[in-house]
Amino acid sequence: KAGVTQTPRYLIKTRGQQVTLSCSPISGHRSVSWYQQTPGQGLQFLFEYFSETQRNKGNFPGRFSGRQFSNSRSEMNVSTLELGDSALYLCASSLDPLARARDEQFFGPGTRLTVL
Amino acid sequence: AQSVTQPDIHITVSEGASLELRCNYSYGATPYLFWYVQSPGQGLQLLLKYFSGDTLVQGIKGFEAEFKRSQSSFNLRKPSVHWSDAAEYFCAVVMNRDDKIIFGKGTRLHILP
Repeated sequence: KAGVTQTPRYLIKTRGQQVTLSCSPISGHRSVSWYQQTPGQGLQFLFEYFSETQRNKGNFPGRFSGRQFSNSRSEMNVSTLELGDSALYLCASSLDPLARARDEQFFGPGTRLTVL
Repeated sequence: AQSVTQPDIHITVSEGASLELRCNYSYGATPYLFWYVQSPGQGLQLLLKYFSGDTLVQGIKGFEAEFKRSQSSFNLRKPSVHWSDAAEYFCAVVMNRDDKIIFGKGTRLHILP
């Protein structure tokens, strides 16, 4: 069974631009969560999607948004990029968010975003 | 606010030595507890988890963790480390079943030959 895939793996953008990251969950997994990882703040939860609906959201500005498609694939978008948005963005999938605490989240390798 | 503390940012141990990584959480009730490992350039991999029951849990790669309610701790241990254990380790909690996961800042483990 293929793992969680994220594309692209590396991305360089300039301030003010926008970016879209993609995540394909493990087949059969319906929940997708996004995290931002930086050296200073560590791992921070961005949002979670299940059945095309956002179920949970972290404390990030509205420039960060996401969506989920009917095949459970998810995208996150960051508009008007700032230097501080440089980070590793991780996606994780699990079977069912209502059982999330009992289900393992499987993480993808991440997308490394650099904002210049 | 709920929080997870990993007091050691870096730890260095010799290969073959024992290891203990500390994790404390602040929350009134018993949360769901996890330890993840992240190797360079990789995503996170679950080592073990605790929900209830036996307070000593066994995980993959020879790791174990002990939940101590009185100390609000969930420390990770391994009796003998291998060079391949060099990585960053994250403790995480989920306070309620329907809640988001909160990660500690991580502990980077270095192994001396």
